[in-house]
Amino acid sequence: KAGVTQTPRYLIKTRGQQVTLSCSPISGHRSVSWYQQTPGQGLQFLFEYFSETQRNKGNFPGRFSGRQFSNSRSEMNVSTLELGDSALYLCASSQTSGVAKNIQYFGAGTRLSVL
Amino acid sequence: AQSVTQPDIHITVSEGASLELRCNYSYGATPYLFWYVQSPGQGLQLLLKYFSGDTLVQGIKGFEAEFKRSQSSFNLRKPSVHWSDAAEYFCAVGYEKLTFGTGTRLTIIP
Repeated sequence: KAGVTQTPRYLIKTRGQQVTLSCSPISGHRSVSWYQQTPGQGLQFLFEYFSETQRNKGNFPGRFSGRQFSNSRSEMNVSTLELGDSALYLCASSQTSGVAKNIQYFGAGTRLSVL
Repeated sequence: AQSVTQPDIHITVSEGASLELRCNYSYGATPYLFWYVQSPGQGLQLLLKYFSGDTLVQGIKGFEAEFKRSQSSFNLRKPSVHWSDAAEYFCAVGYEKLTFGTGTRLTIIP
């Protein structure tokens, strides 16, 4: 069974631009969560989508948004990029919503660099 | 609010030596606890998890962790490390979402 696939693996953008990251979950998984990883803040939860609905949201500004499609694939969008948005963005999929008794499987991430 | 503390930023051990990585958590109810490992340029791989029951849990790659409610700890252990264990280790707690510690970087010396 294929794992969680994130595309692209690397991105370079300039301040003010917007970016869209993609995540294809493991087949049969209906929940997708997004995390931001930076050296200063560590791993932080962005949001979770389950059955095309946002279930949970972390403490990030509205510039960070996402969506999920009927095939469970998810996209994350960041508008008006700032230098501080440079990070590794990780996607995790699971069979159902939440982490209780429900293992999250992570992709390799998308490395975003904002210049 | 839930939180995780990993007090050791970096640990160096000799190959073949035993390992213990510390994790303390704060959580309002019965915690769901996890240990993940991240190799350079890679995503996170689940080593083990604790939901309930036996407080000593076994994971992959020979790792185990012990849940101690009285100490709010969930320390990760391995009796004999291998050079391939060099990576960053993250403890996490959560129910609806994961809250991660800041990670412990493990270096193995020959």
